[in-house]
Amino acid sequence: GAVVSQHPSWVICKSGTSVKIECRSLDFQATTMFWYRQFPKQSLMLMATSNEGSKATYEQGVEKDKFLINHASLTLSTLTVTSAHPEDSSFYICSARDAGGRAYNEQFFGPGTRLTVL
Amino acid sequence: DQQVKQNSPSLSVQEGRISILNCDYTNSMFDYFLWYKKYPAEGPTFLISISSIKDKNEDGRFTVFLNKSAKHLSLHIVPSQPGDSAVYFCAASEYGNKLVFGAGTILRVKS
Repeated sequence: GAVVSQHPSWVICKSGTSVKIECRSLDFQATTMFWYRQFPKQSLMLMATSNEGSKATYEQGVEKDKFLINHASLTLSTLTVTSAHPEDSSFYICSARDAGGRAYNEQFFGPGTRLTVL
Repeated sequence: DQQVKQNSPSLSVQEGRISILNCDYTNSMFDYFLWYKKYPAEGPTFLISISSIKDKNEDGRFTVFLNKSAKHLSLHIVPSQPGDSAVYFCAASEYGNKLVFGAGTILRVKS
């Protein structure tokens, strides 16, 4: 149980294009999903918190117009990197919090998406 | 300002011995702590957690100890196995809000 998937697992795109990453909770409903990015040899940095049916809450320093987050259902959240540039290249990881049953504080992570912008 | 700190970037342990990973925090409002294990190019997997009302939680080979007065927690793995080699992240949350992660500790278990 508590499986979170991400698609695609890796993507290479040209500078200036937009890339959409999907995060799905496969066997539970997630009222809250989180998006992180991780630079090499660094910790996970929270980008935004996404609640189903409402606007995402972005962390300080994260451009909401560049990183568009949509959480349209209890099992799906998407992160769109708009007009991607090489500095956006990173490992993006989502996590989901179970709406019921499991410990409220626990987050279950997806396998991550490696984005490379040429 | 780093609220969660893992001061040891790496740790090397012989197979069968105990691995002790440490974590310090500064926010006294944190009430829930978690340890995650992460392999390269994969998402973190949950290992074990502890509420601030406890000082110890055990799950198989993994035990987490919490010392609230020192704002310190540790993860003990015994016996350590080569498959335990990974990056271990300590994380903390306040009243179910966002997780704050430490920088991680690379554990290498030598056979």
